[in-house]
Amino acid sequence: NAGVTQTPKFQVLKTGQSMTLQCAQDMNHNSMYWYRQDPGMGLRLIYYSASEGTTDKGEVPNGYNVSRLNKREFSLRLESAAPSQTSVYFCASSGDRALSYEQYFGPGTRLTVT
Amino acid sequence: QKEVEQDPGPLSVPEGAIVSLNCTYSNSAFQYFMWYRQYSRKGPELLMYTYSSGNKEDGRFTAQVDKSSKYISLFIRDSQPSDSATYLCALKRSGGSYIPTFGRGTSLIVHP
Repeated sequence: NAGVTQTPKFQVLKTGQSMTLQCAQDMNHNSMYWYRQDPGMGLRLIYYSASEGTTDKGEVPNGYNVSRLNKREFSLRLESAAPSQTSVYFCASSGDRALSYEQYFGPGTRLTVT
Repeated sequence: QKEVEQDPGPLSVPEGAIVSLNCTYSNSAFQYFMWYRQYSRKGPELLMYTYSSGNKEDGRFTAQVDKSSKYISLFIRDSQPSDSATYLCALKRSGGSYIPTFGRGTSLIVHP
């Protein structure tokens, strides 16, 4: 099992450019999440998806959109990148939400917006 | 005031020391208490998990929850350079939102 995979690993964008971060999990998990991690700020939830076909905003959703393509895949899109979106982005997944306490994280995408 | 407070450190200790990492929280609805370890340039991984109050031990690691004080701790005995990482506490309610609330993480450096 690969667990949670993310592509790309690194990306540099210019202000105003768009891009999509891809995430996939092979654990048959219902729930998937997108976080950003900045120095001193910890993990902040951007969007999450409780199940295929549903998405909800987290703590810092502005400037982002998401798509839960199927049970395996959850993508994060930056429509018009801004320097404030320079961060490390982590995708995570977890099992049945009533019972699950563990989140499984991907390796992260390091994004720089100039 | 944030729901979960965690000192970011860094905490620097010599090899073999006993390390104490802590989080405080304000919401008594939290029932699940987790510790994640994150190595540099990697994603977090679950290290320990405790439900409600009490202690849980796993090798050199002990997780402790004091719900009356709203205080959780992770102790590392005989610390090793390989323990150098950022440790994040994560707390989850038993009902309602199933999304965990993370602390900011404490950076630990164990030097030989």
